[in-house]
Amino acid sequence: GQQLNQSPQSMFIQEGEDVSMNCTSSSIFNTWLWYKQDPGEGPVLLIALYKAGELTSNGRLTAQFGITRKDSFLNISASIPSDVGIYFCAGQLQETSGSRLTFGEGTQLTVNP
Amino acid sequence: NAGVTQTPKFQVLKTGQSMTLQCAQDMNHNSMYWYRQDPGMGLRLIYYSASEGTTDKGEVPNGYNVSRLNKREFSLRLESAAPSQTSVYFCASSESLDTQYFGPGTRLTVL
Repeated sequence: GQQLNQSPQSMFIQEGEDVSMNCTSSSIFNTWLWYKQDPGEGPVLLIALYKAGELTSNGRLTAQFGITRKDSFLNISASIPSDVGIYFCAGQLQETSGSRLTFGEGTQLTVNP
Repeated sequence: NAGVTQTPKFQVLKTGQSMTLQCAQDMNHNSMYWYRQDPGMGLRLIYYSASEGTTDKGEVPNGYNVSRLNKREFSLRLESAAPSQTSVYFCASSESLDTQYFGPGTRLTVL
């Protein structure tokens, strides 16, 4: 079953506001990834995190790999209308063999101009 | 370089019909995956192939079969479609143990 809890499920914000979303788990992850899915498209990788405590930025996006290796957050600064979409966290569980990922349920972001 | 391609983009089936969803990648990746996406449930892994010649069940394999035809292609087959299989299906591929690249999806409706 689902081993990642992603919150919030949805967000409605005004253009220019900052956004924060997070994922937590009771299990330890080796890798955390953040994806964005535009309507009618497949998910696209935004940021990949490989070490506990790692803080990585990609333009207006910043993500961190939690020290406990059980959580991660994604921040979006100064949101714009094209930030609209579904954001997914994903991770590789420490005990998972091969190259499987576990996905969160997604955060639906709406940005009002 | 097209990345991951999927066909068809849309499909409507009647209950009991069969069909095969096609996926191909041109990135020379070893691993390929099939997911389904349902509202409020994120992405759930159906089957995956860690390397050419191997396939393994994911979280929700019942009602599906897969074939890793070669390194480039990984197909998903529904032998007898059911309304519960109405979903959006995504294929993905990866080289490393983490970063996966997704196709545009196949939107399947089973009546």
